[in-house]
Amino acid sequence: GDSVTQMEGPVTLSEEAFLTINCTYTATGYPSLFWYVQYPGEGLQLLLKATKADDKGSNKGFEATYRKETTSFHLEKGSVQVSDSAVYFCALSYTGTASKLTFGTGTRLQVTL
Amino acid sequence: DAGVIQSPRHEVTEMGQEVTLRCKPISGHDYLFWYRQTMMRGLELLIYFNNNVPIDDSGMPEDRFSAKMPNASFSTLKIQPSEPRDSAVYFCASSHSGGENEQFFGPGTRLTVL
Repeated sequence: GDSVTQMEGPVTLSEEAFLTINCTYTATGYPSLFWYVQYPGEGLQLLLKATKADDKGSNKGFEATYRKETTSFHLEKGSVQVSDSAVYFCALSYTGTASKLTFGTGTRLQVTL
Repeated sequence: DAGVIQSPRHEVTEMGQEVTLRCKPISGHDYLFWYRQTMMRGLELLIYFNNNVPIDDSGMPEDRFSAKMPNASFSTLKIQPSEPRDSAVYFCASSHSGGENEQFFGPGTRLTVL
């Protein structure tokens, strides 16, 4: 079956540091890929997405590129802020099907001054 | 749009009591999902509906859990009887089939069973 694997957290960075959160997937078809973010005390919200190979999703300074050859969708940001502290979830889904998302376990990011 | 609305935001109850969690999806969305989030197990999909019909309830932990969607604008998740291990944050999310599978999450209900 399909699955998503994320790097273990927590990830602790100083403000303005470079961020990478690794995500790899196993899929039987050609899914769309997503990053969701969960701020403390809130529900998940979509951060960015990519629907096909080589697509780059971007939002709020975050980027991720759909790499079919390595089955990866790593999240990056050039300079993190304290306000980026949250839990980040990688997920996949198949467009046109049941809209069901397969989530990774989440990676907690803590950014300090 | 107000987004996905969940109530209550917090619920504290005693073991053995019935608990009902409520969700109002975004108007026009035809999919509704119930998730549970705990530190130990992370985010788990419990059940989802399409056009008010349950499609997959394989994530429902046991018979104590039940979910209904009587109309397009309302869903409930009921736990009867509740147990301390049911303590978690329960999220409702909705999406529409015409989109790219983006799910919109509610703020969650934090359930504590004593």
